[in-house]
Amino acid sequence: DGGITQSPKYLFRKEGQNVTLSCEQNLNHDAMYWYRQDPGQGLRLIYYSQIVNDFQKGDIAEGYSVSREKKESFPLTVTSAQKNPTAFYLCASSTSAGTGLEKLFFGSGTQLSVL
Amino acid sequence: AQKITQTQPGMFVQEKEAVTLDCTYDTSDPSYGLFWYKQPSSGEMIFLIYQGSYDQQNATEGRYSLNFQKARKSANLVISASQLGDSAMYFCAMREVSGAGSYQLTFGKGTKLSVIP
Repeated sequence: DGGITQSPKYLFRKEGQNVTLSCEQNLNHDAMYWYRQDPGQGLRLIYYSQIVNDFQKGDIAEGYSVSREKKESFPLTVTSAQKNPTAFYLCASSTSAGTGLEKLFFGSGTQLSVL
Repeated sequence: AQKITQTQPGMFVQEKEAVTLDCTYDTSDPSYGLFWYKQPSSGEMIFLIYQGSYDQQNATEGRYSLNFQKARKSANLVISASQLGDSAMYFCAMREVSGAGSYQLTFGKGTKLSVIP
């Protein structure tokens, strides 16, 4: 079955620690995205990538980093510079933005909490 | 200014009744897309329905329809014959084709729908 796999489902971070959230897709999509969701809020874009080896900052990129070395994978690192990392993180993908109107497919999310 | 506004934090509907979830948007781009997603308690975002700014007819997908009023900049989701499994958060989102917002899907804050047996 095609889809987006995020792991782990739950993740705990200690003070000063970097953690990496995994996102893998087998939909053959060119574009991938990372969103953050806080309780009672909508989703906010952290980073997105339209093609391998290229990515752009979204609205709230500070304290986060990404890489896109393979088409299938778009890992997100939450660095120690992110002072309020507790949130639900969602990865998504879409076909290449030919019209800019392609729908996004989402993974099941990772809940990150600070110890 | 918010690009997507959902004014109903929570809604209740009786099972088998229809319900309308409101969404207004703000854009100066003539070409854009409007999306509705459902988020059950499991957390995954499930795509429901899409409306393009140039589409002449309102989009429909099974029990979901989108009441698109372009002049009013509104894109309300109508769910007919509500089921218990419809209880979830519902998010309206917009994707603009050009400008700084291009390629980004901007979300509203969501409406929590509860279906009463």
